[in-house]
Amino acid sequence: AQSVTQLGSHVSVSEGALVLLRCNYSSSVPPYLFWYVQYPNQGLQLLLKYTSAATLVKGINGFEAEFKKSETSFHLTKPSAHMSDAAEYFCAVSSDGGGADGLTFGKGTHLIIQP
Amino acid sequence: NAGVTQTPKFQVLKTGQSMTLQCAQDMNHEYMSWYRQDPGMGLRLIHYSVGAGITDQGEVPNGYNVSRSTTEDFPLRLLSAAPSQTSVYFCASSYSPQGPTNEKLFFGSGTQLSVL
Repeated sequence: AQSVTQLGSHVSVSEGALVLLRCNYSSSVPPYLFWYVQYPNQGLQLLLKYTSAATLVKGINGFEAEFKKSETSFHLTKPSAHMSDAAEYFCAVSSDGGGADGLTFGKGTHLIIQP
Repeated sequence: NAGVTQTPKFQVLKTGQSMTLQCAQDMNHEYMSWYRQDPGMGLRLIHYSVGAGITDQGEVPNGYNVSRSTTEDFPLRLLSAAPSQTSVYFCASSYSPQGPTNEKLFFGSGTQLSVL
């Protein structure tokens, strides 16, 4: 079965600094990988997804992620943090049998932006 | 375009009570699902449906029932609420009946449920 590990339940960066949120996955088949963002009191929104095309994936709000098969990683980055980026971020992987039985989510990383 | 609508937003139940969490989408999506979100646990799939009349269990189905009589609606029923079901519940949908493999999930804003 697939799984996702997000390193760090809380990450704090200064405004304008690099954002790096880590995600490692395990899957017995080539995975589909996703990053979702959850703002306070809202549902999740898709930031970006990897579906075996380009290994560097660009998403919304200046975020991007790089798929590294050798490291089984899909880390999320943003060159310059903004106060509005403060939120909970979830990495997710599709199931081994396809998408019908849903995504497996990591436990989430709370991103804190210091002024 | 309303997207995915969940009601109620907040609910308090006593142990043993039953209730239904409502979920409706107006995007003609075939795939609908229910997740629960608990602190430090991420989101876990409860039940899902790939079309009207078709439902299946996810990772944590015990204590919950679902049905899908129309494409638009996917209610989640708690038959006899327990404190362990205190959580935030999210309904999510996608267009393809294959689910979110290569397309995104659209999430509702959630229902916060407390069982005393």
